[in-house]
Amino acid sequence: NAGVTQTPKFQVLKTGQSMTLQCAQDMNHEYMSWYRQDPGMGLRLIHYSVGAGITDQGEVPNGYNVSRSTTEDFPLRLLSAAPSQTSVYFCASSPGGEGVSQPQHFGDGTRLSIL
Amino acid sequence: GQNIDQPTEMTATEGAIVQINCTYQTSGFNGLFWYQQHAGEAPTFLSYNVLDGLEEKGRFSSFLSRSKGYSYLLLKELQMKDSASYLCAVVDSNYQLIWGAGTKLIIKP
Repeated sequence: NAGVTQTPKFQVLKTGQSMTLQCAQDMNHEYMSWYRQDPGMGLRLIHYSVGAGITDQGEVPNGYNVSRSTTEDFPLRLLSAAPSQTSVYFCASSPGGEGVSQPQHFGDGTRLSIL
Repeated sequence: GQNIDQPTEMTATEGAIVQINCTYQTSGFNGLFWYQQHAGEAPTFLSYNVLDGLEEKGRFSSFLSRSKGYSYLLLKELQMKDSASYLCAVVDSNYQLIWGAGTKLIIKP
């Protein structure tokens, strides 16, 4: 079972560039989310989705967009990369209903550096 | 504001027992998770507590006291592979996960 698949694993961007981080899950999970993880800080929620066609903002949404056209895919777009967006990004999914009250399955992460 | 406190780093000896504490102040409570994260890897689920008391799962146990806003993760018979960060996360009244910064556990032979 693939679980949650994130691509790419590593990426270096220049300030002002845009890019999309891909996330796909094959577990038919309704709830999907994007986090960033920075040293000395807890995981911070960027955006989340409770099902196809539904997205909402998390704690730190500025500079990021998401869409959920299918149950499987939840891409994260950086609109104009800034050095402050240098971080490790994790995509996670969990079954439907009260999604966050069930264990999250995480992808392996994308390590993003903005120069 | 919402806050979760965990010690930044702990050191323990192989074969020993260690307790990692987590205290929280959140708007409501709908459960508490513990995750393990090895360096450079993704977090993986360890335990979930929603009622007071102790949940035991092999070498790992997790305790919750909702009245005290307190949880701990107990690791017994420590092994070198237990060297990792341990993340505490609380589900608040809006069913959002609030994450602690994690406790880095170093196991020495």
